[in-house]
Amino acid sequence: NAGVTQTPKFQVLKTGQSMTLQCAQDMNHEYMSWYRQDPGMGLRLIHYSVGAGITDQGEVPNGYNVSRSTTEDFPLRLLSAAPSQTSVYFCASQLRAGSYNEQFFGPGTRLTVL
Amino acid sequence: QQQVKQSPQSLIVQKGGISIINCAYENTAFDYFPWYQQFPGKGPALLIAIRPDVSEKKEGRFTISFNKSAKQFSLHIMDSQPGDSATYFCAASMSGAQKLVFGQGTRLTINP
Repeated sequence: NAGVTQTPKFQVLKTGQSMTLQCAQDMNHEYMSWYRQDPGMGLRLIHYSVGAGITDQGEVPNGYNVSRSTTEDFPLRLLSAAPSQTSVYFCASQLRAGSYNEQFFGPGTRLTVL
Repeated sequence: QQQVKQSPQSLIVQKGGISIINCAYENTAFDYFPWYQQFPGKGPALLIAIRPDVSEKKEGRFTISFNKSAKQFSLHIMDSQPGDSATYFCAASMSGAQKLVFGQGTRLTINP
């Protein structure tokens, strides 16, 4: 199993550009989520999904869109990038929503918005 | 507001010493308290976790102490090793291990 994979590893955008951060897992996990990590603030939940076709907002959803058309993939879209979205983004997955199973994190995407 | 507060921000410990990181939470509905370890350029990885029905959980050199009445929990690393140098995050969640609320993180350095 590759676990949770994320692409790209690094990305530089100009203000106003759009892009999609990819996340995939091959563990047949039901629950997937996106976090952003900023210095001194820990990780904050952006969006999450409890299964294909179901998504919901986390703590900091503004400026981001998600969709979950398959169990394996959970892309994060930035429609119009802003410098405040400069961060490291982590995707995570968990076997079953509502359980106490471990959440597995991907390696992250470091995004810089100029 | 920060629902989970972590201290200290950074910590330097000599090899063989005890590393202690503390967290405090506000929401009494939290029922799952994990600690994550993160190495530079990597994603966080679960180190150890506790539920509020026990006051302590030990796995090898790592121990979580939990004080429900004080709404505090801490990570103790015994016999700290240079390989333990990493950033540690506490977190909390309710009704399952998803929707984690993280502390600010502690950068731990173990001097050889």
